[in-house]
Amino acid sequence: GESVGLHLPTLSVQEGDNSIINCAYSNSASDYFIWYKQESGKGPQFIIDIRSNMDKRQGQRVTVLLNKTVKHLSLQIAATQPGDSAVYFCAENIRDNYGQNFVFGPGTRLSVLP
Amino acid sequence: DTEVTQTPKHLVMGMTNKKSLKCEQHMGHRAMYWYKQKAKKPPELMFVYSYEKLSINESVPSRFSPECPNSSLLNLHLHALQPEDSALYLCASRVVDSVGELFFGEGSRLTVL
Repeated sequence: GESVGLHLPTLSVQEGDNSIINCAYSNSASDYFIWYKQESGKGPQFIIDIRSNMDKRQGQRVTVLLNKTVKHLSLQIAATQPGDSAVYFCAENIRDNYGQNFVFGPGTRLSVLP
Repeated sequence: DTEVTQTPKHLVMGMTNKKSLKCEQHMGHRAMYWYKQKAKKPPELMFVYSYEKLSINESVPSRFSPECPNSSLLNLHLHALQPEDSALYLCASRVVDSVGELFFGEGSRLTVL
């Protein structure tokens, strides 16, 4: 299940089950989105991306869904494995007069139970 | 392995020290970024360099001074820091003016005593 509070939201799943991690983004003009995985003591690692002209993109064991109407992004991980345990961040690409940069969501900790 | 290299991996400094964090990439990316990340929080943007010129400064205190000496290097000079500046400092790079992945280094873990 998922818990939200003062700590980082955590999603606990059984090994072999599917995981769904959700993210709400802020800017309706954002044109590109990335899901990053961050393991303890490491930098964020690219998992999958999606452009705003798409609503679904699949990778190896991962799928990203984009709902622009409600500004919502989700990451689905099939057959979750212990190595998937990490913090997952969504990031939206924001452009303004000064350039472009990524703004990160609050993150979700995925805990895979044996 | 990441193609963005950050040194040092760990740094402990006093509030009166001057130190620098270094970042290097050889992917030909002309946009380079500094992010700050506190525990259990997402990365927060500090600075963006585009074609070696500072393009974004997210109202970062002057005790942090970025420098981009060439297209492969990015430095963050630190002076008179406070204990609350202790964090993981992440460098990242990407291709300018096109939609694409932001590549991150492994970060420099800074502790200010």
